[in-house]
Amino acid sequence: GENVEQHPSTLSVQEGDSAVIKCTYSDSASNYFPWYKQELGKRPQLIIDIRSNVGEKKDQRIAVTLNKTAKHFSLHITETQPEDSAVYFCAANTGNQFYFGTGTSLTVIP
Amino acid sequence: NAGVTQTPKFQVLKTGQSMTLQCAQDMNHNSMYWYRQDPGMGLRLIYYSASEGTTDKGEVPNGYNVSRLNKREFSLRLESAAPSQTSVYFCASSNTLNTEAFFGQGTRLTVV
Repeated sequence: GENVEQHPSTLSVQEGDSAVIKCTYSDSASNYFPWYKQELGKRPQLIIDIRSNVGEKKDQRIAVTLNKTAKHFSLHITETQPEDSAVYFCAANTGNQFYFGTGTSLTVIP
Repeated sequence: NAGVTQTPKFQVLKTGQSMTLQCAQDMNHNSMYWYRQDPGMGLRLIYYSASEGTTDKGEVPNGYNVSRLNKREFSLRLESAAPSQTSVYFCASSNTLNTEAFFGQGTRLTVV
């Protein structure tokens, strides 16, 4: 099955700086790559996603890039704010299942 | 529009007891999922249902059973709870297997 690895597991940045979280996947059949944000005690919620026919997607301060050849995708958050502090999960979908990374705990220091 | 609703939110079981976690969605989604979330291990798929009338095993199905009661409801049953099943359980649904998944609020289960 698919194997998704996510790095780093923890990340601390100063408010206003950028944060980058990276994921790799193993199954070349994966074609949908969502990113979820989970605040403490809350449910995961989608923040951005990308499909395999697109290399980059941006939504305000959040962007995702995908390199199909290298089988990796990344989440970029610019101008970080304290409310960005949360756990972020990447996932890869092979067409019938989501496979999640182990999460990155992001702390934005005011 | 409630989205995905799970019950209960919290539960404590003794080893060997059984229980059913309930999940319902009102978004007319075809696919539904049950995940467990453990510290440092992300979200792991227990079972999923691609459409009404079908269920399939995920990554960690042992010790669990599921029922897709109708298009709206997907329940998860623990027949004989074990301490290793202490976890936070999330139900989710999506329009198809390859589109955005919406999660319920989670059930924190402790087995003592």
